[in-house]
Amino acid sequence: QQQVKQSPQSLIVQKGGIPIINCAYENTAFDYFPWYQQFPGKGPALLIAIRPDVSEKKEGRFTISFNKSAKQFSLHIMDSQPGDSATYFCAASGNTGNQFYFGTGTSLTVIP
Amino acid sequence: DAGVIQSPRHEVTEMGQEVTLRCKPISGHNSLFWYRQTMMRGLELLIYFNNNVPIDDSGMPEDRFSAKMPNASFSTLKIQPSEPRDSAVYFCASSHKLGNTGELFFGEGSRLTVL
Repeated sequence: QQQVKQSPQSLIVQKGGIPIINCAYENTAFDYFPWYQQFPGKGPALLIAIRPDVSEKKEGRFTISFNKSAKQFSLHIMDSQPGDSATYFCAASGNTGNQFYFGTGTSLTVIP
Repeated sequence: DAGVIQSPRHEVTEMGQEVTLRCKPISGHNSLFWYRQTMMRGLELLIYFNNNVPIDDSGMPEDRFSAKMPNASFSTLKIQPSEPRDSAVYFCASSHKLGNTGELFFGEGSRLTVL
């Protein structure tokens, strides 16, 4: 049973496009939502994270939008570049433990 | 900093053999996690330790899997006997904060193939 549902499974965009990856959760105890980026042959690495007390967080070309009432959050990549081609994982964690629940990942390809 | 170090990077073994995966977390980190990654199921948490003590092993698929953390700088994940369905990439990650905002630092993974 997936605690965090992620879509789409894969995404192909042209350079300069704005890919959007969506995640949804059910557990209202979650209060920390990170996104991880994984390149082939490497482990995931933290990209950006948000808490539910804000609706948006931006770091460079990466933006998280958060909708607490809908229990959904999404990652937007502005002016995407071929170097952004990677697998992206959303995750969620709550204050009752040290577990991070990951989505199933989205494979992003940015075409030059 | 060396980061989280895992070994071996690749392991090919035959069904029934014992497999031991090793992890050295980042010095000073007090939490260690073992994840398994497959195409079908994504990243699954197998077990995590805090201050060398196993906290939650509910993700360990069955008794064939065991994990230990004898000290703060070393952990092992053992599969005995291994089966083809255990083929996956196994990641170790460490964190320096207890609580839900600790950033996870992942190793580069151990790719296991069981024939």
